[in-house]
Amino acid sequence: EPEVTQTPSHQVTQMGQEVILRCVPISNHLYFYWYRQILGQKVEFLVSFYNNEISEKSEIFDDQFSVERPDGSNFTLKIRSTKLEDSAMYFCASSEFLAGGKETQYFGPGTRLLVL
Amino acid sequence: DQQVKQNSPSLSVQEGRISILNCDYTNSMFDYFLWYKKYPAEGPTFLISISSIKDKNEDGRFTVFLNKSAKHLSLHIVPSQPGDSAVYFCAARPLGGKLIFGQGTELSVKP
Repeated sequence: EPEVTQTPSHQVTQMGQEVILRCVPISNHLYFYWYRQILGQKVEFLVSFYNNEISEKSEIFDDQFSVERPDGSNFTLKIRSTKLEDSAMYFCASSEFLAGGKETQYFGPGTRLLVL
Repeated sequence: DQQVKQNSPSLSVQEGRISILNCDYTNSMFDYFLWYKKYPAEGPTFLISISSIKDKNEDGRFTVFLNKSAKHLSLHIVPSQPGDSAVYFCAARPLGGKLIFGQGTELSVKP
């Protein structure tokens, strides 16, 4: 069964450093998402992406964050200058459409980011 | 952001019995609801969903009920199995793509 994959599974970085989290969505999906979960808190929406553009972003997704689909398969989340509070589990998700019974979002296994 | 709430942080059920997980929401514009199951250090796994135009959806041992007037959603698992032990998240979607998650309920099914 097709699945969303994410790399790396764990990333440790120093505060102020840039990190890039990578995702390979399910191949026929058109809508891509990033969410995060800080330890002990809810899963929170960060950004959605369709047709090479951001469709929606949350307040969390400030100028330090960017997303890109550099080729036909990868979807990346970049944090330019990491802060301690960026430590979280980051999940990528994808869906085929937004409606019509094909709107379910399927999640990857996550990248655990630790900022020291 | 308290638009989606799961008021029970944990639930313990005997194997073979019914597990009922509850979820309340405040936004009447939500058009789609989903339940995900999550194990530690893994991503949420999709279980079952329901559109706002329906009041019930069933898939094997899993049934989701939607009561729009009460803004309440529930997931029934019958019969419960030890392998069902995990954290269950309900999520709701306003028009558009993003999902808004509840806090999760940790289900423990005891043999």
